[in-house]
Amino acid sequence: DQQVKQNSPSLSVQEGRISILNCDYTNSMFDYFLWYKKYPAEGPTFLISISSIKDKNEDGRFTVFLNKSAKHLSLHIVPSQPGDSAVYFCAATRLPGGGADGLTFGKGTHLIIQP
Amino acid sequence: KAGVTQTPRYLIKTRGQQVTLSCSPISGHRSVSWYQQTPGQGLQFLFEYFSETQRNKGNFPGRFSGRQFSNSRSEMNVSTLELGDSALYLCASSFLAGGEQFFGPGTRLTVL
Repeated sequence: DQQVKQNSPSLSVQEGRISILNCDYTNSMFDYFLWYKKYPAEGPTFLISISSIKDKNEDGRFTVFLNKSAKHLSLHIVPSQPGDSAVYFCAATRLPGGGADGLTFGKGTHLIIQP
Repeated sequence: KAGVTQTPRYLIKTRGQQVTLSCSPISGHRSVSWYQQTPGQGLQFLFEYFSETQRNKGNFPGRFSGRQFSNSRSEMNVSTLELGDSALYLCASSFLAGGEQFFGPGTRLTVL
């Protein structure tokens, strides 16, 4: 049973436009959500996180939105740049400091920024 | 500050063998977590160690085990390797148990 789902395996966006990556979760106990970015042959790199007490968190070009009632979060990248081309993982956990199952990851979305 | 390092980066083994992977966390980090990444299953949590004690464990068979040393370095062992164990094994460290995790580059294990 996949508790964190990223339904789009890939997404292609033009440089300069907005990239929107989506993530759904089923476990209502999750209350802390993270986005990681991964380049080939490297480990995931933390991007941005959000606690369930908020519905939005912004860091430069990256904004994460959380809709708890829909169990949905999204990552917005504006404007998209060629260096943003990577695989993006959504992750969730039960506490701000982690839960019994560590981080639960989605399967990732491969974002491709077209020049 | 040096990042998380993992050795070896690549490994080829045959079925039935065992393997040990090593992870050195960021200096000062006492928590080390291990994940398995495969194309079909994505990133799956294996276990977390904090101060030499296993704090959490994912849903993996007993063939997968780990330990953490007093200097916070961690090793992961897989015994009786199966073809399905071929994966990228990622180690992540954090300052607090279950805290924000910083990942190493991974060890690519291929089982033939």
